[in-house]
Amino acid sequence: EDQVTQSPEALRLQEGESSSLNCSYTVSGLRGLFWYRQDPGKGPEFLFTLYSAGEEKEKERLKATLTKKESFLHITAPKPEDSATYLCAAEDTGRRALTFGSGTRLQVQP
Amino acid sequence: NAGVTQTPKFQVLKTGQSMTLQCAQDMNHNSMYWYRQDPGMGLRLIYYSASEGTTDKGEVPNGYNVSRLNKREFSLRLESAAPSQTSVYFCASKREETQYFGPGTRLLVL
Repeated sequence: EDQVTQSPEALRLQEGESSSLNCSYTVSGLRGLFWYRQDPGKGPEFLFTLYSAGEEKEKERLKATLTKKESFLHITAPKPEDSATYLCAAEDTGRRALTFGSGTRLQVQP
Repeated sequence: NAGVTQTPKFQVLKTGQSMTLQCAQDMNHNSMYWYRQDPGMGLRLIYYSASEGTTDKGEVPNGYNVSRLNKREFSLRLESAAPSQTSVYFCASKREETQYFGPGTRLLVL
């Protein structure tokens, strides 16, 4: 059974304090690993897709990396506007459906 | 270009009532999805449609039916609502490997 686990559940940072969010996954064959951002009361907003171990992608203060068992979302010098829930999802080559983790709620205080 | 739209935004039902959640996309995508999101559980797939005229069950299909009316529209129907169906429902459509989400419908079943 496909499984995606995110940690920590919640994270509070001071503005400028860098950190990383973890996503560990178990799938029979990984087609893609996805990161989304979700603001309160809104739908998930696509951030990144990673396809193979060693791949990295960046967007502003965010960088996503992928290993054979985990993905990390690194947040460098975060700002209050980075506060959101960050969701990780894995797509299995066999099922062609996303399995989501339960998310990390990030709060960045000024 | 509105992306993925959902109606209604919020609905209150009594146990046993029926309703249909509407979803439309204007991006000419073939695949469309329905998820539910509950606290602490992440998004779970209810049904999906790989193309017009086809639908398949996801992880939690019981109590729901779907219709892929045309390429643009994918509706989700609750025939006899139960309190366990209180949730936030998201529709998504897919381009290449990435799913794009609507703003969600918040459903409360009393």
